[in-house]
Amino acid sequence: DQQVKQNSPSLSVQEGRISILNCDYTNSMFDYFLWYKKYPAEGPTFLISISSIKDKNEDGRFTVFLNKSAKHLSLHIVPSQPGDSAVYFCAASARRNAGNMLTFGGGTRLMVKP
Amino acid sequence: DGGITQSPKYLFRKEGQNVTLSCEQNLNHDAMYWYRQDPGQGLRLIYYSQIVNDFQKGDIAEGYSVSREKKESFPLTVTSAQKNPTAFYLCASSRLAHSIGEQYFGPGTRLTVT
Repeated sequence: DQQVKQNSPSLSVQEGRISILNCDYTNSMFDYFLWYKKYPAEGPTFLISISSIKDKNEDGRFTVFLNKSAKHLSLHIVPSQPGDSAVYFCAASARRNAGNMLTFGGGTRLMVKP
Repeated sequence: DGGITQSPKYLFRKEGQNVTLSCEQNLNHDAMYWYRQDPGQGLRLIYYSQIVNDFQKGDIAEGYSVSREKKESFPLTVTSAQKNPTAFYLCASSRLAHSIGEQYFGPGTRLTVT
């Protein structure tokens, strides 16, 4: 059973517009969430995170929103740039139980068209 | 320049042979992890180690073995018992497993077994 799901395998967006990537989770013990960005044949790089005590965290063009009651988080990229084209993974952690152990979603491939 | 190195980038082996993938970090991180990524799928945890000379099985440990004799090094051996060894393998590290923080990933090794 997948505890972290990214239901959209791919997303195509025009340059300059908003990209919204979604992630759902089932484990109510998750209390820390992260987004990673991955280019082909490279390792993922950390993008942004959010603790369950917050509902929003912003870093430049990237904002993560957390809706605990719906067990849903989303990553907003505004404005989208062609260099943002990559696979985005959300990950979750139950820090009280498992420290830095991460459970990853299946990824969403974002394509930003010039 | 701190980081995680994985070698080689590409590895080819014949079926039935064991192969060892290298992972070294100079970030002074205590915890290290091995994941595999298959096309269209997320990252699945193979093994992790929170401290030298100790390691734990992840979700898909069958057919793999690891060692952690040094803090900096966490090699992964893909044995002939692994039924589907062809995949992209990622090594990661993080600070103490029970602290807040993200995992840092190496560039990955693509293993092809024929």
